[in-house]
Amino acid sequence: QQQVKQSPQSLIVQKGGISIINCAYENTAFDYFPWYQQFPGKGPALLIAIRPDVSEKKEGRFTISFNKSAKQFSLHIMDSQPGDSATYFCAASDSGGGADGLTFGKGTHLIIQP
Amino acid sequence: DAGVTQSPTHLIKTRGQHVTLRCSPISGHKSVSWYQQVLGQGPQFIFQYYEKEERGRGNFPDRFSARQFPNYSSELNVNALLLGDSALYLCASSRRTSYNEQFFGPGTRLTVL
Repeated sequence: QQQVKQSPQSLIVQKGGISIINCAYENTAFDYFPWYQQFPGKGPALLIAIRPDVSEKKEGRFTISFNKSAKQFSLHIMDSQPGDSATYFCAASDSGGGADGLTFGKGTHLIIQP
Repeated sequence: DAGVTQSPTHLIKTRGQHVTLRCSPISGHKSVSWYQQVLGQGPQFIFQYYEKEERGRGNFPDRFSARQFPNYSSELNVNALLLGDSALYLCASSRRTSYNEQFFGPGTRLTVL
């Protein structure tokens, strides 16, 4: 299965700061890139997703930046709040007829300090 | 509307036993996918079902099987359990197989002793 590499593994940000998580992928057939937020003991919750026809998508305090040529995408959390403390996963899939599911990164444990 | 529901919440089994996990998708969603999440890792794709047919399979042994019912609910079966099968098993539903958001349930925590 093709990899999605996520960094950093853990991140500490002060309240009000910007949290940035990066992902890189290998499979050029990937055309759907979601980000999920997971709290301990819960299932992942879809935050925001992007397709390669746009370079940026913003929803509230969450922004995805996408660089197709570099095969990289990132999540920016503006004005980070303690309630944002969670594990974040990037993912990718090939929706062009394949059914290989989502390929996830290994996750970033984000801590927002008050 | 109710989200994805899974049962049971927790399960403890011993090596060699068999387990069945259940999932009910969001109303109107016809596709169900199963993922395994080992502690500290991202979810790993096991199966995808759409309209009661298997549409995709990840790199898991034949001990893992699944099926989808006419009401679009699904079961994941694991035979001959190994210690390494201990994980959070997640079910995700979507409207169809491709180009669609997947919404995850809370998962079933399986512990194999």
